[in-house]
Amino acid sequence: EADIYQTPRYLVIGTGKKITLECSQTMGHDKMYWYQQDPGMELHLIHYSYGVNSTEKGDLSSESTVSRIRTEHFPLTLESARPSHTSQYLCASSKQVAGVGYGYTFGSGTRLTVV
Amino acid sequence: GEDVEQSLFLSVREGDSSVINCTYTDSSSTYLYWYKQEPGAGLQLLTYIFSNMDMKQDQRLTVLLNKKDKHLSLRIADTQTGDSAIYFCAESPSSGNTPLVFGKGTRLSVIA
Repeated sequence: EADIYQTPRYLVIGTGKKITLECSQTMGHDKMYWYQQDPGMELHLIHYSYGVNSTEKGDLSSESTVSRIRTEHFPLTLESARPSHTSQYLCASSKQVAGVGYGYTFGSGTRLTVV
Repeated sequence: GEDVEQSLFLSVREGDSSVINCTYTDSSSTYLYWYKQEPGAGLQLLTYIFSNMDMKQDQRLTVLLNKKDKHLSLRIADTQTGDSAIYFCAESPSSGNTPLVFGKGTRLSVIA
C-alpha cells in the first residue's frame, strides 16, 4: 500500500548532537514538506521541496537542513540539537500540481526530545 | 500574506452536531481542506472543497463555503467519541506553487 514513512517514531537525544530524521514515500509524489508542531497544535513549515535537487526554506528553517537526492526520500538534519528543538516533526507529500484537490499525505511523525 | 483563523476549542455532547469554523484571507484560493489529527498521529485529509462550490457532503461530514465572507465550516453530524481530535482548516494559495496555509487547529472534545 502506498504510504509515507517516518523514522524514528520517538527519539531522545543529548544537547549538541547531530540528528537526521528520515522521511520516505512510495507514492511518487514530487512535493515533500517538513513541519514542526507545537504542543499547542500549531504547524510551522520548516522546509519543502518541489522535486529532486530542489529545496526551499519555510518559516522556521534556520537551524536545520534538508536534501532531496531521490524523489522518495527527504531527510531533515539538525546539526546541533537544543532543548528548544523538542517537538513533534511531521513529514508530508503531495502531487506535482498543488491545489488540485489531492491535499497532503502526512506521515505519523517523529517525536523528538532533546535533554 | 495569506492567513487562516480557527477557534481553538470546541466541546460537544455525543450525538449532537459539531460545527467547526474557519476564516481565510485569500479570496482566490482554489481549494480548501479539512484535516483531522488524532492523538500521537499525523494529519489525515478528511475532505476538501473546490472554490466554485458552496457545499459538499460526505456521509456525516458537511462542508459549507461562503466565498463572499471567506468563511468555511465543517459540520459533523451525530458526533461520536471517536471524533475527538484536532481539526485543521487549510487553503491552497492562489499564488501558485506554494505550500498550503494551515490554521492553528480546533481541538474537538466529545463528552459521552
